[in-house]
Amino acid sequence: AQKVTQTQTSISVMEKTTVTMDCVYETRDSSYFLFWYKQTASGEIVFLIRQDSYKKENATEGHYSLNFQKPKSSIGLIITATQIEDSAVYFCAMRASSSFSKLVFGQGTSLSVVP
Amino acid sequence: GPKVLQIPSHQIIDMGQMVTLNCDPVSNHLYFYWYKQILGQQMEFLVNFYNGKVMEKSKLFKDQFSVERPDGSYFTLKIQPTALEDSAVYFCASSSGTGGYEQYFGPGTRLTVL
Repeated sequence: AQKVTQTQTSISVMEKTTVTMDCVYETRDSSYFLFWYKQTASGEIVFLIRQDSYKKENATEGHYSLNFQKPKSSIGLIITATQIEDSAVYFCAMRASSSFSKLVFGQGTSLSVVP
Repeated sequence: GPKVLQIPSHQIIDMGQMVTLNCDPVSNHLYFYWYKQILGQQMEFLVNFYNGKVMEKSKLFKDQFSVERPDGSYFTLKIQPTALEDSAVYFCASSSGTGGYEQYFGPGTRLTVL
């Protein structure tokens, strides 16, 4: 069975700084995909970035980047130059290749970006 | 990004009634999903649907649940009969089936069962 764990319940940072959110996962599959989504205050869920397990390079997308440490089963999300509108709940998710395509989500980390 | 639509945004019904939640997925997507989120908790997978069939479902997808997408119209989740524990936000998602199969989510339907 797959499992995704986000231990940080909430984080508060100053605007324009860098924040890292942690996520660890468990799977017996040798091939899998890792995703980060954010859920805004209105409830909208937005896809942010993806990491393929077979790729050594960390994925980047705009001011989002990932810190993929495969031996530690860890996939951290890094947001640089944070903005007020980055305030949201961030979910880490995994899809194992053995699963048809279901996503297993972590518990989420609430990020507050303050001026 | 790609948009998934869901109708209605909020539905209130009495326990035991039937409810149908509607989803309009991204036009060229082939894979469709339903997830359930209880307030303040993580999203949990219910079911995925491809080529007219349920491909995978979780324990949360009870016998009272069914999904279909007749003739390329809305992808629907039907609950009959509803129970109090079905109160939650239900998110529809779709993916193209290429690359990492990233899923794009709709805004959710908040279901309240009284």
